[in-house]
Amino acid sequence: DSGVTQTPKHLITATGQRVTLRCSPRSGDLSVYWYQQSLDQGLQFLIQYYNGEERAKGNILERFSAQQFPDLHSELNLSSLELGDSALYFCASSVVGTGITGELFFGEGSRLTVL
Amino acid sequence: DQQVKQNSPSLSVQEGRISILNCDYTNSMFDYFLWYKKYPAEGPTFLISISSIKDKNEDGRFTVFLNKSAKHLSLHIVPSQPGDSAVYFCAASEPGSNTGKLIFGQGTTLQVKP
Repeated sequence: DSGVTQTPKHLITATGQRVTLRCSPRSGDLSVYWYQQSLDQGLQFLIQYYNGEERAKGNILERFSAQQFPDLHSELNLSSLELGDSALYFCASSVVGTGITGELFFGEGSRLTVL
Repeated sequence: DQQVKQNSPSLSVQEGRISILNCDYTNSMFDYFLWYKKYPAEGPTFLISISSIKDKNEDGRFTVFLNKSAKHLSLHIVPSQPGDSAVYFCAASEPGSNTGKLIFGQGTTLQVKP
């Protein structure tokens, strides 16, 4: 158990819909990262928040957005869903996030299926 | 632009033998590398890491080698055990990003046969 909690574990929805994925980081971790893993693809970095503020942005679509709340949990919002958005979405947390290299602790992921 | 590449999607070895997983990178400024292991229905978990100032780091059955001139690293598992069967991701720390984010390869699925 990494200490990172993601909900829901599975989600099936239709094209054009909007979903919200939730992540609770490990206790004490200030940094939250979102990654996407599509079929046969590696982990693609989407976005990072550190202590409530956006710190880094990767290949995140404009239809996707995220935020980190004062209690440090984070939500990833995916809208106008397309078939290609079907993927595993991982949240990871780290106590650092300021350039000091440290391992990331991953949740079990949220599997999104868009039909 | 795939900055971290794992060119072998899968690897199959016999129990007790050595498993060698390879990873190449393109950015010579990467300064820290990590290997993660992922079982089905679980998130990736940290396995071992190496700083660019070293060329080898060992932890039990796991050893990571770094060849900076070739921009190549490898993970050696000796001896391999059936419980090592998983997807292994190579990752690199983005230099100067001030974020701590990691850039991952595509993963290699290791199967260790009893």
